[in-house]
Amino acid sequence: GQQLNQSPQSMFIQEGEDVSMNCTSSSIFNTWLWYKQDPGEGPVLLIALYKAGELTSNGRLTAQFGTTRKDSFLNISASIPSDVGIYFCAGQLQAAGNKLTFGGGTRVLVKP
Amino acid sequence: SQTIHQWPATLVQPVGSPLSLECTVEGTSNPNLYWYRQAAGRGLQLLFYSVGIGQISSEVPQNLSASRPQDRQFILSSKKLLLSDSGFYLCAWSVALSERGNQPQHFGDGTRLSIL
Repeated sequence: GQQLNQSPQSMFIQEGEDVSMNCTSSSIFNTWLWYKQDPGEGPVLLIALYKAGELTSNGRLTAQFGTTRKDSFLNISASIPSDVGIYFCAGQLQAAGNKLTFGGGTRVLVKP
Repeated sequence: SQTIHQWPATLVQPVGSPLSLECTVEGTSNPNLYWYRQAAGRGLQLLFYSVGIGQISSEVPQNLSASRPQDRQFILSSKKLLLSDSGFYLCAWSVALSERGNQPQHFGDGTRLSIL
């Protein structure tokens, strides 16, 4: 089956820094989604990408759907403490059920 | 607007006991519904999904079952819990596949299940 490799697995941020994470797949997807999960809560949708090459922003977040349809990245600009959490990428095929394949997540932590 | 509710938020159960977790969606009709399990610090594993009342697809063989008795109600059950059933269970919904193509999934706040 399809697998998503998400990297890095974890990262430390310092307030004001820009950070980046990405996902790569062994096969193509029609849609890429990025979610953020805070401790003890469900994932919240950040950005949805529907076309290869699409670049979409949501506030300080920017995500791109790779032109090969096998990858996507998420950038956070000028990070703030509330950016801490786990970020998941997810790929979706045009198929019954709208099923998602999730990456393993990127845990964003604050530098001590 | 649409909302999704899961309960209970936390649950502690002994091994061998039954389980029933409930999920309801408001503000939409004929949604796709999903149950996921998330182990601590790990990604999400799809357990079941449903595209309509009484229609359940199982993604992985396991000790759990799902039912959809009403359009916007999705229930996760077990007759006898195992230690390995511990985890964070998430329900999600999406608009059914439509002419507009794929629709994102939206998650509830989850149920943390601990098996003793």
